[in-house]
Amino acid sequence: SQQGEEDPQALSIQEGENATMNCSYKTSINNLQWYRQNSGRGLVHLILIRSNEREKHSGRLRVTLDTSKKSSSLLITASRAADTASYFCATVRYSGNTPLVFGKGTRLSVIA
Amino acid sequence: KAGVTQTPRYLIKTRGQQVTLSCSPISGHRSVSWYQQTPGQGLQFLFEYFSETQRNKGNFPGRFSGRQFSNSRSEMNVSTLELGDSALYLCASSLVAGSDSPLHFGNGTRLTVT
Repeated sequence: SQQGEEDPQALSIQEGENATMNCSYKTSINNLQWYRQNSGRGLVHLILIRSNEREKHSGRLRVTLDTSKKSSSLLITASRAADTASYFCATVRYSGNTPLVFGKGTRLSVIA
Repeated sequence: KAGVTQTPRYLIKTRGQQVTLSCSPISGHRSVSWYQQTPGQGLQFLFEYFSETQRNKGNFPGRFSGRQFSNSRSEMNVSTLELGDSALYLCASSLVAGSDSPLHFGNGTRLTVT
């Protein structure tokens, strides 16, 4: 069953604009991870943020985590056509020895 | 370093048949997880193996089984295939088991059941 839910389901922006995707989850977590998937291929790990962290950066990516609201956001700045992909958040429950559970993803289209 | 390799890339089977999918993890990775991806259900967890032992199992019927070998390579088997088993099956490896280790995915096996 899905733990995280991404919002919006689909997003279309112009090249150079910023893209923000949100993820909400239900139970207490150990960490939250974001992945990217290009059409028909495997997922690529982008960033991991732990429950005691509030913000992390990696290149043009910025991830925030608000455990009180059980939500996270992924910001991609100065988007490029190559950023076109589906983006998934994935969570690990705090209870331990549990697998990574993925949301259904946000489909991002960056128009050149 | 070679990535996660899944074979075959595409597979077409008939209802009632069985299928075996193979996954070779990144060298040195001892944990392998399997996921099923469909448009309707998204990514659903199937199994997780570490050092030949199943650590976790998702909510799938007993027709779905897996194993891991001593070289960390993994296989999953689906018996008595149903139309609803059509999906992209993704394998992922990580250095160790546990939540702090990011998953490295293969490009999947696209299974079509007719």
